[in-house]
Amino acid sequence: GQQLNQSPQSMFIQEGEDVSMNCTSSSIFNTWLWYKQEPGEGPVLLIALYKAGELTSNGRLTAQFGITRKDSFLNISASIPSDVGIYFCAGQKGWDDKIIFGKGTRLHILP
Amino acid sequence: DTEVTQTPKHLVMGMTNKKSLKCEQHMGHRAMYWYKQKAKKPPELMFVYSYEKLSINESVPSRFSPECPNSSLLNLHLHALQPEDSALYLCASSHTGTAYEQYFGPGTRLTVT
Repeated sequence: GQQLNQSPQSMFIQEGEDVSMNCTSSSIFNTWLWYKQEPGEGPVLLIALYKAGELTSNGRLTAQFGITRKDSFLNISASIPSDVGIYFCAGQKGWDDKIIFGKGTRLHILP
Repeated sequence: DTEVTQTPKHLVMGMTNKKSLKCEQHMGHRAMYWYKQKAKKPPELMFVYSYEKLSINESVPSRFSPECPNSSLLNLHLHALQPEDSALYLCASSHTGTAYEQYFGPGTRLTVT
């Protein structure tokens, strides 16, 4: 089935550093979603993107819908300890299609 | 308010038990979903309800039986589960259509003994 390639799988960074992760597909998507999940909790929607080239921010988070519609990027600036968690990208081809999740990027912040 | 609630938070059940998971949302969403999530994996879609009708069943075994009593509630009835069914069960909802922006509940951690 359709898969999204999300990278990196995990990241170990120092507090205060900027973070970048991305998601790619061999197919075109019309919607990209970025979620964060903390242990024992459900995924929380961070940013939703609907147009190719769209750049959207949510506080220290910025996400972009790739021009080719086959990729998306999430950046976190000036990371803080509460940013720890698993970040999932998710894509949707059409309005009636189910969303497909990437395998996640696990973010660790070193003290 | 983008809250989806799920009960119970944790559930331990034997393989011969019957139990139910409950999900509720008051955002006026007409699409609701059940996902299963194993540790360190992304959520896997199980069922989709659209306007209280089952629209997608991802070939889920019949020991899982979904129910949508009304537009705000979604249940998942469990019977004769196997230990490999132990997982985090997530409910989500969205506006009409099968996806759009899906909002997830906190999940029910299910352990089958």
